[in-house]
Amino acid sequence: GENVEQHPSTLSVQEGDSAVIKCTYSDSASNYFPWYKQELGKGPQLIIDIRSNVGEKKDQRIAVTLNKTAKHFSLHITETQPEDSAVYFCAALSGSARQLTFGSGTQLTVLP
Amino acid sequence: GAGVSQSPSNKVTEKGKDVELRCDPISGHTALYWYRQSLGQGLEFLIYFQGNSAPDKSGLPSDRFSAERTGGSVSTLTIQRTQQEDSAVYLCASSLDGSYGYTFGSGTRLTVV
Repeated sequence: GENVEQHPSTLSVQEGDSAVIKCTYSDSASNYFPWYKQELGKGPQLIIDIRSNVGEKKDQRIAVTLNKTAKHFSLHITETQPEDSAVYFCAALSGSARQLTFGSGTQLTVLP
Repeated sequence: GAGVSQSPSNKVTEKGKDVELRCDPISGHTALYWYRQSLGQGLEFLIYFQGNSAPDKSGLPSDRFSAERTGGSVSTLTIQRTQQEDSAVYLCASSLDGSYGYTFGSGTRLTVV
């Protein structure tokens, strides 16, 4: 089955700096890659996603890039703000499975 | 409803007791998923319902765990003879057609004492 590796597990940045979180996946048939943000005591919230026919997608301060050949994808947050502090999860949906496989999460802390 | 609703939000139970966790998905969403999140860990897939198809139970950790979905809407996750290692947050998600765009509920925090 699919296996998703995520790193780093923790990341601290100064407010205004950029943050990058990276994930790799194992199943070359995976075709959908969402990113979720989870705040304390809440469920994960979808913030951006990308499908395998696209190499990059941007939404304001957030962007995701996908390298299908290398089987890795990354989340980029620019001009970070304290409210960006949360746990971020990447995930992959394999064509053969019907449920998302999640990475282990990254605790992002934005220091004011 | 506007979002995925889970109840109760918190549940404390004694070891050996049975518990039922409820999930009310977004109206019209045909796919429903249960995940488990242990403290500081990622999301572990448990079970998946899609329309009238047989559920995918491949993630259930033991036969003490079961789930059902009535009328293609509300789902109940049941844990029998709870153990301390069952303590976790149980998350439910739904999606329109089982492909993209999962929406998660806020979860049920289960503590087995």
